[in-house]
This record gives sequence, C-alpha cells and structure tokens, in this order.
Amino acid sequence: NAGVTQTPKFQVLKTGQSMTLQCAQDMNHEYMSWYRQDPGMGLRLIHYSVGAGITDQGEVPNGYNVSRSTTEDFPLRLLSAAPSQTSVYFCASSYTAGPRDTQYFGPGTRLTVL
Amino acid sequence: RKEVEQDPGPFNVPEGATVAFNCTYSNSASQSFFWYRQDCRKEPKLLMSVYSSGNEDGRFTAQLNRASQYISLLIRDSKLSDSATYLCVVSGATNKLIFGTGTLLAVQP
Repeated sequence: NAGVTQTPKFQVLKTGQSMTLQCAQDMNHEYMSWYRQDPGMGLRLIHYSVGAGITDQGEVPNGYNVSRSTTEDFPLRLLSAAPSQTSVYFCASSYTAGPRDTQYFGPGTRLTVL
Repeated sequence: RKEVEQDPGPFNVPEGATVAFNCTYSNSASQSFFWYRQDCRKEPKLLMSVYSSGNEDGRFTAQLNRASQYISLLIRDSKLSDSATYLCVVSGATNKLIFGTGTLLAVQP
C-alpha cells in the first residue's frame, strides 16, 4: 500500500492564482481531511469528508473548496491564493470518523504564495 | 486560552536521559488522547494513544489526568533517533482532533 499520497510536494503561486492540491489513499478509508500547519500553531482542520459525496467545513475553511467523488481521492482547491495561505498542507485519512481511529498523514505540500 | 497547550521547548537532553513532556487541554468532555511524533519537515505519525489507566510502549509511557486535564509523555533512555517534535492531540467538542503546537526534543550525543 502506498498509504496517503499528496502532490505536489512544493508549489509557489502568485496572489490570485488558483490551484488544486491532490490527495489520494489506497486503504479504503472512509474519513479524509485536510489540515494546514503554520509556525507556532497546531495543525488546523480545513475541510473533511466522512465518505464519497459528503464534505464539511473544519476550523479554517475560508478560501478553500473540496470535493469527494471517490473514496480514494480528496482534492483541495485554492480559489484565489493569498499570502496568508502560505503554509504546509497535510492530507490525512482514517478508517472511520471516530476520534479514536489512527490518522494517517500524507507527506505534505509546502505552498508559498507571493 | 488554547484548547491544547504544550511547552514548545526545545528540550535538549543527553543520550540515555529520561525526559517528560506535559500537555494541558481545556475541554473537560474530551474522550480521546494521543501523542503524535513529527520529524523535521515530515508528516505527523501516531506514537501512542493515551488511556485513562496509563499505558506503556517500550521506553515510552503516557499518562492521563482527567481531574487536572493534562497528559504526559515520559521517554526513558533517550536515543538520538528520538529527536523530533511531539504533538499532543485531543478530541474536541465535535469529536474532531485538536493538535497542540508540539514540543521539540533534541537528544545530544
């Protein structure tokens, strides 16, 4: 199993550009989520999904969209990039949405918005 | 007040030392507690869950004190390979996970 994969690993955008961060998992996990990690702050939940076709907002959803058309894929779309979105983005998955389930994280995407 | 608070460190300890980290959480209704490990520029990985009765995994011991709302992690006989950031993670009001900012451990030869 590849686990959770993310692409790209690094990305530089200009303010106002849009892009999609890709996330895929091959563990047949129901629950997938996106976090951002900034210096001095814990990982913060952006959006999450409890199954194909079902998504919901997390703590910091503004400026981001998600969709879940398949169990495996959970892309994160930046609509109009802003410097405040410079961060490291992690995708995670777990078997269910239960809080006791182990979260498996992808390797992250390091995004810089100029 | 942050929902999960940790001392950011760094904790600089020699090999073989015993080191302990504490973490406090604000939501008394939290039910699930974890320690994750994050190596530099890598993704977080589960180190261990924390159970009410305390639990041990090799050199690592985790304790939970619900009355005082804190969690601890004890590492005995520190190895160079233990150098990492340790994240305290607690389930929040909606059962979503709340991550602390992490405690940096540097084990010196």
